[in-house]
Amino acid sequence: EPEVTQTPSHQVTQMGQEVILRCVPISNHLYFYWYRQILGQKVEFLVSFYNNEISEKSEIFDDQFSVERPDGSNFTLKIRSTKLEDSAMYFCASSVVPLAGVAGELFFGEGSRLTVL
Amino acid sequence: AQSVTQLGSHVSVSEGALVLLRCNYSSSVPPYLFWYVQYPNQGLQLLLKYTTGATLVKGINGFEAEFKKSETSFHLTKPSAHMSDAAEYFCAVSLGGGADGLTFGKGTHLIIQP
Repeated sequence: EPEVTQTPSHQVTQMGQEVILRCVPISNHLYFYWYRQILGQKVEFLVSFYNNEISEKSEIFDDQFSVERPDGSNFTLKIRSTKLEDSAMYFCASSVVPLAGVAGELFFGEGSRLTVL
Repeated sequence: AQSVTQLGSHVSVSEGALVLLRCNYSSSVPPYLFWYVQYPNQGLQLLLKYTTGATLVKGINGFEAEFKKSETSFHLTKPSAHMSDAAEYFCAVSLGGGADGLTFGKGTHLIIQP
């Protein structure tokens, strides 16, 4: 069964370092998302991406965050200068159709746990 | 702004007993509502969703949920719990208005006692 895969499963980094989290969405999906979950808190929407550009982003997704689809398969989340409060589980998701309008189903990866020291 | 409240961070039921996980939402537009399940060391998996039409929605693994507009609720139920149902359950509402993200509740950890 097709699935969304994420790497790394766990990354430990020093505050101020750049981090890139990678995702391989399901191959025929067109809409891509990043969510995060700080330990003990809600899963929060970060950004959605379609047709090689950001379609929506939340307040959390500030200038230190960026996303790109560098090739036909990978979808990456870059955190330019990590802060302690960026420590969280980051989930990538993809869908064939968007949530808006037709309520497409999101398929989530297993998550990448980021620990910032 | 949309929000989701899940009552009870932990719910414990006996195997074979009724499962009831509560979810209330607020939304300024007609909502799309979702329940996701997360098994240990796995990603979030869609259980069921409500968009329009029938208010009782059936999902995978014997779960169902009923959309009650008057109560702004979307509680998840299963008549008979199984040990394999032990997991984290998340209720979510679409942001609506053409936006493309989900607002999640904090999650409810379901514990099944033998």
